[in-house]
Amino acid sequence: DARVTQTPRHKVTEMGQEVTMRCQPILGHNTVFWYRQTMMQGLELLAYFRNRAPLDDSGMPKDRFSAEMPDATLATLKIQPSEPRDSAVYFCASGLGGPNYGYTFGSGTRLTVV
Amino acid sequence: GNSVTQMEGPVTLSEEAFLTINCTYTATGYPSLFWYVQYPGEGLQLLLKATKADDKGSNKGFEATYRKETTSFHLEKGSVQVSDSAVYFCALSPNNSGGSNYKLTFGKGTLLTVNP
Repeated sequence: DARVTQTPRHKVTEMGQEVTMRCQPILGHNTVFWYRQTMMQGLELLAYFRNRAPLDDSGMPKDRFSAEMPDATLATLKIQPSEPRDSAVYFCASGLGGPNYGYTFGSGTRLTVV
Repeated sequence: GNSVTQMEGPVTLSEEAFLTINCTYTATGYPSLFWYVQYPGEGLQLLLKATKADDKGSNKGFEATYRKETTSFHLEKGSVQVSDSAVYFCALSPNNSGGSNYKLTFGKGTLLTVNP
């Protein structure tokens, strides 16, 4: 089965450090999402790309977060500087877009900022 | 804006019991509706979907019917197993033709625990 690959699976970093999370979407998928999952807030949409163009990043704290798709096989989410409140599981999902399709999620990056 | 409301968990059942997890939504127009499942330590997996009113999505013994009149998409299973223990998320995606905003809006999730 095709899968969305996220790296790293786990990351522990100190407050103030830069964190980069990577996602390899399924080949041929033109839509990519970044979600953050915490116990308190549930699943929050951070960024949404279609054909590598950002469509919606309204859920992302702009002062410290940035999301890019340098090419169709790579999506990145960066946090600089990181803070303890950023501790969460970050999921990438990809799909074909459109109302009739679900999306395939990666296994997530569990980030702990100490 | 769009929103999804799920029954709060946790839900604890014995094996072979009947399962219902309620989900209602608020959206403009007629969205597509989904149920995702998340097993411990894993990402979300699409369980089933329905893209128009009265559609029934089904998979692995789970079913959900798109009810436009009650704006609901309740998840059911006739006989749960221990292996069904997971968190279940209801979600919607806009269905606006010609548009490009198909982002998923999720409910908060319902934890299901099935005991042997």
